Amino acid sequence: DVKVTQSSRYLVKRTGEKVFLECVQDMDHENMFWYRQDPGLGLRLIYFSYDVKMKEKGDIPEGYSVSREKKERFSLILESASTNQTSMYLCASKTGTGIYNEQFFGPGTRLTVL
Amino acid sequence: GESVGLHLPTLSVQEGDNSIINCAYSNSASDYFIWYKQESGKGPQFIIDIRSNMDKRQGQRVTVLLNKTVKHLSLQIAATQPGDSAVYFCAENNYGQNFVFGPGTRLSVLP
Repeated sequence: DVKVTQSSRYLVKRTGEKVFLECVQDMDHENMFWYRQDPGLGLRLIYFSYDVKMKEKGDIPEGYSVSREKKERFSLILESASTNQTSMYLCASKTGTGIYNEQFFGPGTRLTVL
Repeated sequence: GESVGLHLPTLSVQEGDNSIINCAYSNSASDYFIWYKQESGKGPQFIIDIRSNMDKRQGQRVTVLLNKTVKHLSLQIAATQPGDSAVYFCAENNYGQNFVFGPGTRLSVLP
């Protein structure tokens, strides 16, 4: 059974803290993605990765960085958390074989920055 | 561009009725589309997909219709059940590039 897991379901941090969100997939997928989801807005792409140690900026990368040291793990880092980064964060993965493939999502991490 | 709305469109249907959820997509070159269902507190789940060389695809109790002329996608759910209550959103893809997601519609099933 396909699975994308995220390290935390709920997280509360203080302004200025460094925050790590971890995502692991067990499907040997090449592609991994980090999105944030805010009320009334579609999923917005923060960063993505097509391979180990490879990363590309999405639509809203400011204030974030990522790390992909292993194929199955993609980490999102908030260098200095701010209140406007309070959001639901969703990780997804997709096979790199073929173009007509869905993305599989994790359960999400709801981050609150105080 | 980015949606500015802070609240989701809501569709309320009576249990047992059919539901139709609509999505306007942005890129006329998009060739692959997915509908996702997202229940409260959970990540999105794949429901059904369709390629641009089709205009209709059916699954179990769900049908997706694609109208490329007006860049419109719809999801029909037959005999809507309480478990169908969720946010539904569409995603479009252009030849393997990154997906672009719609803002979603909240479906409420009334008893």
